[in-house]
Amino acid sequence: GAGVSQTPSNKVTEKGKYVELRCDPISGHTALYWYRQSLGQGPEFLIYFQGTGAADDSGLPNDRFFAVRPEGSVSTLKIQRTERGDSAVYLCASSSPGQGARELFFGEGSRLTVL
Amino acid sequence: DQQVKQNSPSLSVQEGRISILNCDYTNSMFDYFLWYKKYPAEGPTFLISISSIKDKNEDGRFTVFLNKSAKHLSLHIVPSQPGDSAVYFCAASAVTFGNEKLTFGTGTRLTIIP
Repeated sequence: GAGVSQTPSNKVTEKGKYVELRCDPISGHTALYWYRQSLGQGPEFLIYFQGTGAADDSGLPNDRFFAVRPEGSVSTLKIQRTERGDSAVYLCASSSPGQGARELFFGEGSRLTVL
Repeated sequence: DQQVKQNSPSLSVQEGRISILNCDYTNSMFDYFLWYKKYPAEGPTFLISISSIKDKNEDGRFTVFLNKSAKHLSLHIVPSQPGDSAVYFCAASAVTFGNEKLTFGTGTRLTIIP
């Protein structure tokens, strides 16, 4: 597809379980971002990749959250020992070389519900 | 600490009139500002942006104004159309300082009344 693709679109899990969320960015986009949006809030920055490396992971809330982008394209956000407070929509975005934060293209998000 | 603030959670405007959405920021290092529009169950989509070296940027029905001294920006939509009904997010970054992450406000839900 032409846009940022995120899977799954919806994930319901139980407290304490492990979850993986996948993001497939727009082809050719070198920068990839993960954001989290809780109800009634704006998107909150989690982590930003430039190529394969995490250029800024200052938004990850704690060490239960981890993200990888091994080949510089698809990225996976991993959440260990999920808690009810992790329930949110997880948004992935990408941008073309040289654009960076000037224009991010977002996917539709993965809605995570932790029971 | 909310660095980007949208103090109006909602706004209703008659079709054909002007919609004005406001945003305030506190971080003096922010030098690039964007507006995103979001429909339910979709990701945010880029609408318009402005660099801190400008005070106005226009794109069709959409105009963004930046007042650096007041740390305030606004989005004007004229004329407003029913399809403009959505949640609008203001966002800011400090790109000159190599900071490529966007900081978002909490959003304003705009409803256009036919």
